[in-house]
Amino acid sequence: AQSVTQPDIHITVSEGASLELRCNYSYGATPYLFWYVQSPGQGLQLLLKYFSGDTLVQGIKGFEAEFKRSQSSFNLRKPSVHWSDAAEYFCAVGGGNTGKLIFGQGTTLQVKP
Amino acid sequence: DVKVTQSSRYLVKRTGEKVFLECVQDMDHENMFWYRQDPGLGLRLIYFSYDVKMKEKGDIPEGYSVSREKKERFSLILESASTNQTSMYLCASSLAASKNIQYFGAGTRLSVL
Repeated sequence: AQSVTQPDIHITVSEGASLELRCNYSYGATPYLFWYVQSPGQGLQLLLKYFSGDTLVQGIKGFEAEFKRSQSSFNLRKPSVHWSDAAEYFCAVGGGNTGKLIFGQGTTLQVKP
Repeated sequence: DVKVTQSSRYLVKRTGEKVFLECVQDMDHENMFWYRQDPGLGLRLIYFSYDVKMKEKGDIPEGYSVSREKKERFSLILESASTNQTSMYLCASSLAASKNIQYFGAGTRLSVL
């Protein structure tokens, strides 16, 4: 079955600290992988995406993610978190010609001053 | 710039009412999607459409229907609203050739009393 798991429902980090949000997926074919961010009361904004090639991808707002096929993972990282990064983060996987995505449950990031 | 517009940010309806949620995109995208978002459950696909007058059920279509009479507009219909349909509803669109990149509206928070 196709699925996405974000093991951490809620994470709290101090401002300036590094961040890693985990994402594991199960997908039969070569996946397209995405991270989206949702600020309170807003829709989802695309942070970054992986289709093929270099397994380390850069996104907006200083985020990056690494695709590890052997671990079926696509973890999101940021070296130094800012208070404005507090939001909910969703990992998603797709790949078929329907354009559908499967989303994880989301991880809520809280940033301490 | 990409724009997906949902007609209402907040709606309050009564049990048994027929409810229409409207979504318009200005990017000439073929694919459009309706999700509901509930805490701890991530985004769940209700219906999607890959062309005018075409629709397919997603993972949780029960109690919902959709309409796509024009390419830019995708409507979600709650035939007889119930309290368990209180949720955040998100609309998204994507270009068929875009490798599943979806663009989201700001969401409609629906309360059914």
